[in-house]
Amino acid sequence: GESVGLHLPTLSVQEGDNSIINCAYSNSASDYFIWYKQESGKGPQFIIDIRSNMDKRQGQRVTVLLNKTVKHLSLQIAATQPGDSAVYFCAESGTQAGTALIFGKGTTLSVSS
Amino acid sequence: GAGVSQSPSNKVTEKGKDVELRCDPISGHTALYWYRQSLGQGLEFLIYFQGNSAPDKSGLPSDRFSAERTGGSVSTLTIQRTQQEDSAVYLCASRPDWGGQFFGPGTRLTVL
Repeated sequence: GESVGLHLPTLSVQEGDNSIINCAYSNSASDYFIWYKQESGKGPQFIIDIRSNMDKRQGQRVTVLLNKTVKHLSLQIAATQPGDSAVYFCAESGTQAGTALIFGKGTTLSVSS
Repeated sequence: GAGVSQSPSNKVTEKGKDVELRCDPISGHTALYWYRQSLGQGLEFLIYFQGNSAPDKSGLPSDRFSAERTGGSVSTLTIQRTQQEDSAVYLCASRPDWGGQFFGPGTRLTVL
């Protein structure tokens, strides 16, 4: 079936560096994408979302890029901090409220001081 | 509270017993979802409720799993005759008419 995957299971960076977490999706009909951050023992936390009619969206220290041509999604974190250490999941769905999210397996981001 | 809450936070049970997991969604959110997350894995969709429509049960792994949503708010996920492979974190999420899903802290289920 359709699924969302991530290129790298782990990413290690130094504090202050910029981080880029990548995700490839397979369902070309998906029109809504979300990045979640999950810390140990907690539920996923919404970071940022983007609709398919956009190719870039910025938040506070985070930017999501969407390339529909190659079905690729990325999350950029500026000036990465130790508190950013977590597992990051991308998820895709349709725009209808009742559509379930399809998650990838996650990328573990480790930030060292 | 402002977020999605789930109870209990941890549940240890013996194989063959039934368990009930509770989810209180964010007030006003029309959709409610249940997911399962095994150790080190992504989230596996189980079931969702949208308003008064019939729930989408397509993700339930077996007929031992069922869920209800009463009054369009609180939901209960029931697992009958639990098996060791049911051990996981069960996450609930709610969603407004438009936008992302907001997750609760999850219930960690351990079946001995």
